[in-house]
Amino acid sequence: NAGVTQTPKFQVLKTGQSMTLQCAQDMNHEYMSWYRQDPGMGLRLIHYSVGAGITDQGEVPNGYNVSRSTTEDFPLRLLSAAPSQTSVYFCASSYRNRGPTGELFFGEGSRLTVL
Amino acid sequence: GNSVTQMEGPVTLSEEAFLTINCTYTATGYPSLFWYVQYPGEGLQLLLKATKADDKGSNKGFEATYRKETTSFHLEKGSVQVSDSAVYFCAPGGSASKIIFGSGTRLSIRP
Repeated sequence: NAGVTQTPKFQVLKTGQSMTLQCAQDMNHEYMSWYRQDPGMGLRLIHYSVGAGITDQGEVPNGYNVSRSTTEDFPLRLLSAAPSQTSVYFCASSYRNRGPTGELFFGEGSRLTVL
Repeated sequence: GNSVTQMEGPVTLSEEAFLTINCTYTATGYPSLFWYVQYPGEGLQLLLKATKADDKGSNKGFEATYRKETTSFHLEKGSVQVSDSAVYFCAPGGSASKIIFGSGTRLSIRP
C-alpha cells in the first residue's frame, strides 16, 4: 500500500530554474494539497484541490502552479525558482469529498534548496 | 478562517515525565480537532482526533479532550519515552477545504 508518494526527495536548483515536484496517491482521495514547512513557521498551505480539474490557492500560492488532471496526481510547479522557496514540501490527501474534515495522509516530503 | 495557537517549543523532558502540550483554536462552528506527529525525517501522521465537544481522542498513550468552552485541545501523556521525541502539530479541521496547522512543538526526551 503506497499511500502518498512524492518525488524527488531531494533537489538542488539554481535561481531562475524551473522544476516540478510530483505527488501521487493510490487511495482514490478526492482532496489533495501542498504544504511547505519552514523552521519556526509550521506548515503553510500552498495550493489544494477538491477533485480532478479543480484547484484553488492556499495561504502562500505565489511562485507556484498546480494542476489536477487525474484523481491520482497533483504536481507542484516552480516556474522560476527563488532562494525564498528553499523549504521542505509536503503533499497530503484526504478521503473526504468536500474538504479535509477527515484525516490528512502525508507524503514523506521533498527537500528543495535554491541557490 | 480558522486559526490555532500552540505551545512554543522546544520542550525537553526526562523519560517517564508527564507531558502537556497546549493548543487553543478559533474556528467557525465546531470542527474536528487533530493532533499530528512528525518523527525525524518523515512526513506528518495522525496521532489522534476528536470529532465533537467532550470527545477524548487517544493513541499510543497520548490523550486530548475537545473542550468547546475553552476552545482547547491540549495533548497529554502520563509517562513519555525516548521514542516520543518528535514534532507535534495541533490542527482544527474546517469546512473550507483547509486544515490550518499550528507552528509545531518540538519534543525531546532524555533517557
